[in-house]
Amino acid sequence: KAGVTQTPRYLIKTRGQQVTLSCSPISGHRSVSWYQQTPGQGLQFLFEYFSETQRNKGNFPGRFSGRQFSNSRSEMNVSTLELGDSALYLCASSLQAGSYGYTFGSGTRLTVV
Amino acid sequence: DQQVKQNSPSLSVQEGRISILNCDYTNSMFDYFLWYKKYPAEGPTFLISISSIKDKNEDGRFTVFLNKSAKHLSLHIVPSQPGDSAVYFCAASMIPIQGAQKLVFGQGTRLTINP
Repeated sequence: KAGVTQTPRYLIKTRGQQVTLSCSPISGHRSVSWYQQTPGQGLQFLFEYFSETQRNKGNFPGRFSGRQFSNSRSEMNVSTLELGDSALYLCASSLQAGSYGYTFGSGTRLTVV
Repeated sequence: DQQVKQNSPSLSVQEGRISILNCDYTNSMFDYFLWYKKYPAEGPTFLISISSIKDKNEDGRFTVFLNKSAKHLSLHIVPSQPGDSAVYFCAASMIPIQGAQKLVFGQGTRLTINP
């Protein structure tokens, strides 16, 4: 079966712009989580969605937001981009919230210039 | 505040020998620990996990050890193979509340297996 699909794979944006990243979970998976990976910081949790509801949120500013659609696909939005937002953004899906059976996508590499 | 720490950014091991990757945590509420492996341009893939009620879990060449009193876990790979060269992340989690789950990751250790 198809894995977790993230689009686009690469993105270059200018400071102050906004960006939307997309994640399609594995078919049947209803939980989608987002993580930010930067050198030296590892993976940092952004938020988790289950059944279109945000279940958990990490310590990121309000410029970072997300949503989940009825088909479980999820989008993440970052407004007023800063240079420090340059990172690999990873999406992970699992069958249900609270499940440890995460499957990660390959990520979207965002570069802010 | 880094609740999960991998203090070695990199590790180099000869093929066939044992690789030992270490991870420390500070939050005593963590009760489930996982190791992920990540190749460049790919997402992390789950490797092995351990519950806090155990002190060891083994899966083929991979063994994870948990020392709760020291808040320390380690991943042993024996024997190490060239395909094991990757970045390894340890992660920790608490019992999900209302179904929500959040994994806290370490910074990662880049393992290089030399032929």
